[in-house]
Amino acid sequence: GAVVSQHPSRVICKSGTSVKIECRSLDFQATTMFWYRQFPKQSLMLMATSNEGSKATYEQGVEKDKFLINHASLTLSTLTVTSAHPEDSSFYICSANSLESYEQYFGPGTRLTVT
Amino acid sequence: ELKVEQNPLFLSMQEGKNYTIYCNYSTTSDRLYWYRQDPGKSLESLFVLLSNGAVKQEGRLMASLDTKARLSTLHITAAVHDLSATYFCAVGHWGSGTASKLTFGTGTRLQVTL
Repeated sequence: GAVVSQHPSRVICKSGTSVKIECRSLDFQATTMFWYRQFPKQSLMLMATSNEGSKATYEQGVEKDKFLINHASLTLSTLTVTSAHPEDSSFYICSANSLESYEQYFGPGTRLTVT
Repeated sequence: ELKVEQNPLFLSMQEGKNYTIYCNYSTTSDRLYWYRQDPGKSLESLFVLLSNGAVKQEGRLMASLDTKARLSTLHITAAVHDLSATYFCAVGHWGSGTASKLTFGTGTRLQVTL
C-alpha cells in the first residue's frame, strides 16, 4: 500500500517555542492531506484539511493562527504549532489519499511534549 | 453534526471466541473505514466499505456496511491474542475526489486472553 511518513516521530519543546511537523506521501501524490490530533486513550479528532496550493480549512475550535498548515507540493504538508503550551502536548497524525483510491493512509504520528 | 458511536468501548474475550463490534453513525455516508491501532502507534487500515451491503474479510476479521441502518460491524472469528488492539471505525464525509474528512468513533479496546 501507499506510504505516508512523518518527521519527527517525537519532539520535546519548551513552552512558548514553535515546532514544525512534516507529512510526506512517499510514493503517490496527494492534493489533499488531513491533520488529526489524538489525546491519550481518546479517539482521533480532525484538526484541518490541507489543500495543495491553497489555504487550509480548519475545523471548528481549531485556531488557525496557532496551528499553521502549509501544503507546498503534492507530496508535502507541514503543521507548525506556534507558541506551544503544555496543553498542546498530543499525538499528531496526518493522512492522505492517493488520487486513485478511497483508501486513506495514515502517517506514523508525531508525539509532541511541551514542557 | 455527524456522530459516530462504537460499542462496546472495551471488550475482553477469550481466545477462540467470536464477537462483533458495532459502529453506528448519524448521517448519510457511503464511505466507512475500519482501522486498528496498537499502543503508541498510528493507524493501520483494515477495510474500506463503499456501498450498501458491502462485506470484506481479511483473516479473522470481517466488516460489513448497511447504509440504510447507518451501521457497520466488525466481526472477529476465533480470536487470537495478536488481535489485541484498539479498533476504530470512521465515517467519511465531504468528498473531494477520493479524499474524505473522517469522523472517528470512540474506539473499541479489544483484549484477547488465553
